[in-house]
Amino acid sequence: EPEVTQTPSHQVTQMGQEVILRCVPISNHLYFYWYRQILGQKVEFLVSFYNNEISEKSEIFDDQFSVERPDGSNFTLKIRSTKLEDSAMYFCASSLDRANQPQHFGDGTRLSIL
Amino acid sequence: AQSVTQPDIHITVSEGASLELRCNYSYGATPYLFWYVQSPGQGLQLLLKYFSGDTLVQGIKGFEAEFKRSQSSFNLRKPSVHWSDAAEYFCAVGRSYNTDKLIFGTGTRLQVFP
Repeated sequence: EPEVTQTPSHQVTQMGQEVILRCVPISNHLYFYWYRQILGQKVEFLVSFYNNEISEKSEIFDDQFSVERPDGSNFTLKIRSTKLEDSAMYFCASSLDRANQPQHFGDGTRLSIL
Repeated sequence: AQSVTQPDIHITVSEGASLELRCNYSYGATPYLFWYVQSPGQGLQLLLKYFSGDTLVQGIKGFEAEFKRSQSSFNLRKPSVHWSDAAEYFCAVGRSYNTDKLIFGTGTRLQVFP
Protein backbone atom coordinates (compact mmCIF):
# COMPACT_ATOMS: atom_id res chain seq x y z
CA GLU A 1 0.00 0.00 0.00
CA PRO A 2 1.38 3.45 -0.88
CA GLU A 3 2.82 5.39 2.03
CA VAL A 4 3.83 8.89 2.96
CA THR A 5 7.54 8.85 3.78
CA GLN A 6 9.35 11.40 5.90
CA THR A 7 13.06 12.04 6.40
CA PRO A 8 14.90 12.23 8.65
CA SER A 9 13.18 10.30 11.41
CA HIS A 10 15.03 12.36 14.02
CA GLN A 11 16.68 15.75 13.60
CA VAL A 12 18.75 17.47 16.27
CA THR A 13 19.51 21.13 15.66
CA GLN A 14 21.04 24.00 17.58
CA MET A 15 18.71 26.84 18.46
CA GLY A 16 18.82 29.55 15.83
CA GLN A 17 19.69 27.20 13.00
CA GLU A 18 17.53 26.48 10.00
CA VAL A 19 16.06 23.03 9.48
CA ILE A 20 14.33 21.41 6.52
CA LEU A 21 11.98 18.49 7.02
CA ARG A 22 11.27 16.39 3.99
CA CYS A 23 8.26 14.42 2.90
CA VAL A 24 7.36 12.31 -0.10
CA PRO A 25 3.56 12.21 -0.34
CA ILE A 26 1.66 9.39 -1.97
CA SER A 27 2.32 9.77 -5.67
CA ASN A 28 -1.14 10.56 -7.04
CA HIS A 29 -2.21 12.76 -4.13
CA LEU A 30 -2.84 16.43 -4.73
CA TYR A 31 -3.24 17.92 -1.24
CA PHE A 32 -0.42 18.12 1.24
CA TYR A 33 -0.30 19.00 4.90
CA TRP A 34 2.01 19.54 7.83
CA TYR A 35 0.97 18.95 11.43
CA ARG A 36 2.98 18.95 14.61
CA GLN A 37 2.66 17.27 17.98
CA ILE A 38 4.49 18.73 20.94
CA LEU A 39 5.29 16.03 23.47
CA GLY A 40 2.23 15.22 25.54
CA GLN A 41 -0.06 17.49 23.53
CA LYS A 42 -2.53 17.02 20.73
CA VAL A 43 -1.73 16.95 17.04
CA GLU A 44 -2.04 20.48 15.61
CA PHE A 45 -2.55 21.60 12.04
CA LEU A 46 0.16 23.84 10.57
CA VAL A 47 -0.50 24.27 6.87
CA SER A 48 -2.17 22.82 3.81
CA PHE A 49 -0.84 23.09 0.27
CA TYR A 50 -2.48 22.59 -3.08
CA ASN A 51 -1.60 23.52 -6.64
CA ASN A 52 1.76 24.89 -5.56
CA GLU A 53 0.42 27.33 -3.05
CA ILE A 54 -0.66 27.46 0.56
CA SER A 55 -4.41 26.96 0.84
CA GLU A 56 -4.65 27.37 4.59
CA LYS A 57 -2.35 27.99 7.53
CA SER A 58 -2.77 28.12 11.27
CA GLU A 59 -1.68 30.81 13.69
CA ILE A 60 1.35 28.67 14.50
CA PHE A 61 2.56 28.92 10.91
CA ASP A 62 4.20 32.33 11.09
CA ASP A 63 7.01 33.86 9.05
CA GLN A 64 9.47 31.44 10.60
CA PHE A 65 7.90 28.62 8.60
CA SER A 66 7.70 27.97 4.89
CA VAL A 67 6.68 25.08 2.66
CA GLU A 68 7.73 24.14 -0.79
CA ARG A 69 7.17 21.47 -3.38
CA PRO A 70 10.52 21.71 -5.17
CA ASP A 71 9.80 18.91 -7.62
CA GLY A 72 7.07 16.45 -8.49
CA SER A 73 7.63 14.21 -5.50
CA ASN A 74 8.94 16.10 -2.48
CA PHE A 75 7.17 18.41 -0.05
CA THR A 76 9.29 20.28 2.46
CA LEU A 77 8.81 22.26 5.65
CA LYS A 78 11.50 24.82 6.44
CA ILE A 79 11.86 26.33 9.86
CA ARG A 80 14.14 29.36 10.01
CA SER A 81 15.94 30.37 13.18
CA THR A 82 14.61 27.52 15.26
CA LYS A 83 13.49 28.05 18.84
CA LEU A 84 13.39 25.65 21.76
CA GLU A 85 9.60 25.54 21.54
CA ASP A 86 9.81 24.19 17.98
CA SER A 87 10.82 20.85 19.44
CA ALA A 88 8.05 18.48 18.42
CA MET A 89 7.08 15.61 16.18
CA TYR A 90 6.24 16.93 12.72
CA PHE A 91 3.87 14.91 10.56
CA CYS A 92 3.37 15.21 6.85
CA ALA A 93 0.08 14.07 5.34
CA SER A 94 -1.43 13.87 1.89
CA SER A 95 -4.84 13.26 0.41
CA LEU A 96 -6.15 12.50 -3.03
CA ASP A 97 -8.81 15.15 -2.92
CA ARG A 98 -10.54 17.48 -0.48
CA ALA A 99 -13.90 15.77 -0.60
CA ASN A 100 -14.48 12.28 0.75
CA GLN A 101 -10.80 11.41 0.89
CA PRO A 102 -8.92 10.91 4.15
CA GLN A 103 -5.49 12.28 4.95
CA HIS A 104 -2.71 9.72 5.11
CA PHE A 105 0.12 10.45 7.50
CA GLY A 106 3.81 9.66 7.51
CA ASP A 107 5.71 8.33 10.51
CA GLY A 108 6.88 11.80 11.45
CA THR A 109 10.17 13.59 12.08
CA ARG A 110 11.12 14.16 15.67
CA LEU A 111 12.77 17.59 15.86
CA SER A 112 14.88 18.33 18.90
CA ILE A 113 16.16 21.87 19.38
CA LEU A 114 19.12 22.22 21.74
CA ALA B 1 -15.49 26.52 16.50
CA GLN B 2 -14.78 22.91 15.77
CA SER B 3 -13.50 20.83 18.66
CA VAL B 4 -13.03 17.21 19.62
CA THR B 5 -13.14 15.80 23.12
CA GLN B 6 -11.80 12.44 24.17
CA PRO B 7 -12.82 12.18 27.80
CA ASP B 8 -10.62 9.21 28.65
CA ILE B 9 -6.90 9.94 28.79
CA HIS B 10 -5.91 6.40 29.66
CA ILE B 11 -7.81 3.10 29.47
CA THR B 12 -6.63 -0.30 30.58
CA VAL B 13 -8.32 -3.51 29.46
CA SER B 14 -7.55 -7.19 29.57
CA GLU B 15 -6.76 -9.03 26.38
CA GLY B 16 -9.96 -10.46 24.94
CA ALA B 17 -12.18 -7.88 26.60
CA SER B 18 -14.37 -5.51 24.65
CA LEU B 19 -13.34 -1.91 24.13
CA GLU B 20 -15.10 1.39 23.63
CA LEU B 21 -13.22 4.67 23.24
CA ARG B 22 -15.30 7.80 23.48
CA CYS B 23 -15.21 10.78 21.17
CA ASN B 24 -17.45 13.83 21.21
CA TYR B 25 -17.28 16.64 18.71
CA SER B 26 -18.55 20.14 18.32
CA TYR B 27 -19.36 21.11 14.78
CA GLY B 28 -21.86 23.24 12.93
CA ALA B 29 -22.79 20.79 10.22
CA THR B 30 -22.40 17.13 9.45
CA PRO B 31 -18.73 16.49 10.10
CA TYR B 32 -16.24 14.21 8.55
CA LEU B 33 -14.97 12.00 11.37
CA PHE B 34 -11.87 9.88 11.68
CA TRP B 35 -10.09 7.61 14.08
CA TYR B 36 -6.32 7.31 13.87
CA VAL B 37 -4.00 5.06 15.84
CA GLN B 38 -0.42 5.83 16.81
CA SER B 39 1.79 3.02 18.00
CA PRO B 40 4.93 3.99 19.94
CA GLY B 41 7.45 5.64 17.64
CA GLN B 42 5.12 5.39 14.69
CA GLY B 43 3.00 7.77 12.67
CA LEU B 44 -0.75 8.11 12.53
CA GLN B 45 -2.52 5.24 10.86
CA LEU B 46 -6.09 5.69 9.67
CA LEU B 47 -8.41 3.18 11.34
CA LEU B 48 -11.71 4.29 9.85
CA LYS B 49 -13.62 7.25 8.54
CA TYR B 50 -17.16 8.57 8.34
CA PHE B 51 -18.24 10.92 5.59
CA SER B 52 -21.92 10.13 5.11
CA GLY B 53 -24.38 7.27 4.81
CA ASP B 54 -24.40 4.29 7.13
CA THR B 55 -23.67 5.54 10.63
CA LEU B 56 -21.87 2.34 11.61
CA VAL B 57 -18.53 2.20 9.87
CA GLN B 58 -16.08 -0.65 9.76
CA GLY B 59 -12.36 -0.14 9.81
CA ILE B 60 -9.14 -2.05 9.83
CA LYS B 61 -7.94 -4.38 12.57
CA GLY B 62 -11.50 -5.30 13.57
CA PHE B 63 -12.47 -1.81 14.74
CA GLU B 64 -15.81 -0.12 14.14
CA ALA B 65 -17.31 3.23 15.07
CA GLU B 66 -20.80 4.60 15.24
CA PHE B 67 -21.79 8.14 14.37
CA LYS B 68 -24.59 9.42 16.59
CA ARG B 69 -25.67 12.86 15.53
CA SER B 70 -28.02 13.33 18.49
CA GLN B 71 -25.16 12.76 20.92
CA SER B 72 -22.43 14.39 18.80
CA SER B 73 -20.42 11.26 19.29
CA PHE B 74 -18.26 8.93 17.24
CA ASN B 75 -17.19 6.18 19.61
CA LEU B 76 -14.71 3.52 18.59
CA ARG B 77 -15.36 -0.09 19.48
CA LYS B 78 -13.74 -3.47 19.24
CA PRO B 79 -15.37 -6.67 20.53
CA SER B 80 -12.16 -8.41 21.59
CA VAL B 81 -8.92 -6.55 22.19
CA HIS B 82 -5.53 -8.00 21.29
CA TRP B 83 -2.26 -7.12 23.01
CA SER B 84 -1.08 -5.52 19.76
CA ASP B 85 -3.88 -2.96 20.03
CA ALA B 86 -2.00 -1.14 22.78
CA ALA B 87 -1.40 2.33 21.34
CA GLU B 88 -2.69 5.88 21.40
CA TYR B 89 -5.98 6.52 19.64
CA PHE B 90 -6.96 9.88 18.21
CA CYS B 91 -10.37 11.02 17.09
CA ALA B 92 -10.41 13.82 14.52
CA VAL B 93 -12.98 15.98 12.78
CA GLY B 94 -12.51 17.75 9.52
CA ARG B 95 -13.63 19.09 6.20
CA SER B 96 -16.00 21.93 6.67
CA TYR B 97 -16.89 23.80 3.50
CA ASN B 98 -13.85 26.05 3.63
CA THR B 99 -11.12 24.14 5.38
CA ASP B 100 -9.10 20.99 4.95
CA LYS B 101 -7.56 20.85 8.36
CA LEU B 102 -8.19 18.08 10.82
CA ILE B 103 -8.93 18.93 14.42
CA PHE B 104 -7.64 16.24 16.73
CA GLY B 105 -8.67 15.21 20.19
CA THR B 106 -6.09 14.83 22.92
CA GLY B 107 -5.96 11.08 22.44
CA THR B 108 -6.66 8.02 24.56
CA ARG B 109 -3.81 5.76 25.54
CA LEU B 110 -4.86 2.12 25.54
CA GLN B 111 -3.01 -0.37 27.67
CA VAL B 112 -3.74 -4.09 27.28
CA PHE B 113 -2.97 -6.61 29.99
CA PRO B 114 -2.54 -10.32 29.18
